[in-house]
Formats: sequence, structure tokens, C-alpha cells
Amino acid sequence: AQSVTQLDSHVSVSEGTPVLLRCNYSSSYSPSLFWYVQHPNKGLQLLLKYTSAATLVKGINGFEAEFKKSETSFHLTKPSAHMSDAAEYFCVVRGSGGYQKVTFGIGTKLQVIP
Amino acid sequence: GAGVSQSPRYKVAKRGQDVALRCDPISGHVSLFWYQQALGQGPEFLTYFQNEAQLDKSGLPSDRFFAERPEGSVSTLKIQRTQQEDSAVYLCASSLPGLDFSGANVLTFGAGSRLTVL
Repeated sequence: AQSVTQLDSHVSVSEGTPVLLRCNYSSSYSPSLFWYVQHPNKGLQLLLKYTSAATLVKGINGFEAEFKKSETSFHLTKPSAHMSDAAEYFCVVRGSGGYQKVTFGIGTKLQVIP
Repeated sequence: GAGVSQSPRYKVAKRGQDVALRCDPISGHVSLFWYQQALGQGPEFLTYFQNEAQLDKSGLPSDRFFAERPEGSVSTLKIQRTQQEDSAVYLCASSLPGLDFSGANVLTFGAGSRLTVL
């Protein structure tokens, strides 16, 4: 069985300050982990993915995430928030093996205050 | 095509009507997923196909929901006798499986079909 927990449903930051969106996962196998972003009325867009290579993963728009197996975490960070970062962010786990089930977290809504 | 195409983008149905939502995955993508995203919620898994085989339909909320992918490419999600609680955006995603069936391949999502049941 696998699951994803996004610890914060809403995060509010000031423009220019760091962003931290938290994600913990559980999986029976070595999982692949992803972060997707969804802007209002837009489709889901891949930000970055972890697939058992480097534990620090860099994505688009200055985001990065660090896979920490000991903490079963995959938190998303960005050094300096931009107004355009305001969106909903989803942490996603995908299993390996014959059936690669994909499970979404409930999402974290990021608000950026000018 | 270049991306995952879903149609219709918007559908308004009267309660009790049947609806059919279509997904055209990226050519060659073996894996296909359907998700239901209610307003303000994250996507909830509905069903998964590998080629034409429906490997998991555990997320379908009731027997009013039915999905098929007869030739392993285009998929249709059908909802019979729609209810107001069926109102949501229905997302389709496709991907390649890894050669070793790793989960490394990225899901590419369509823009979704927004269903409103009155």
C-alpha cells in the first residue's frame, strides 16, 4: 500500500521569501515521487520528479525537492517566492513493479502576498 | 498528438442523464489513468489501463461508472444516471511504463472535462 500526506492544506508567504511545502509518503517499494502544480482553471503541470538518482532534485521555475528516505519525506522548496507561484501543489507517489499505481496528496494551496 | 486531449471540456447534464467523456492519450503511451477532482480537492484515482487491459478499477465510486479502452489507445469514461455528487473535473493522464516497470515515467495530464450535474 502507498500513501501521501501533505501536511499543510494552505501556506501563505510574502513575495521574495522562501517557500516550503511539506510532503511525507509511505510505500512498500522504492517509489518515484513527483510534484505537480495546478494554476486556477489550468491543467496539472509537472514541477519535478525523483526516481532514485540524485536525492536533491531541481525542477522548473526555481523549485527543488529533497528526497530523505530516513524521514520518508519529499518537501518542496524555493528560495524566493514570486507572485506567479500562487497555485495548488500536489505531491504524488508512484509505485514500481508490475502495476505502478499513482497516488496524489490532497494538495497545498500556496498564497503569495505582495 | 502532442498532448493528452480530453473532450468535451465542459459538460452540463441533467440529473439522471448518461454522459461519456473521451480521452485521447499521447500516441504510444501504454498506461492510462482516470482521476476525479472535486472542487477544492486533489485528484482521486478512478481507474487504470495498461494497453486495453483495465488493471485497476478500485476507485470507481459506483457501478454507474464504467471505463473502457478497447483498442489500447482512446479511452471513454461513461457515467450512467448522473447524480449531483458526480459534478467534478475528470482528468485523464497517460504515460509510458518503464522497461523494468519502474514508476519513473511521468504522467502527462489532459486539461480535464468539467462535468456539472444539475
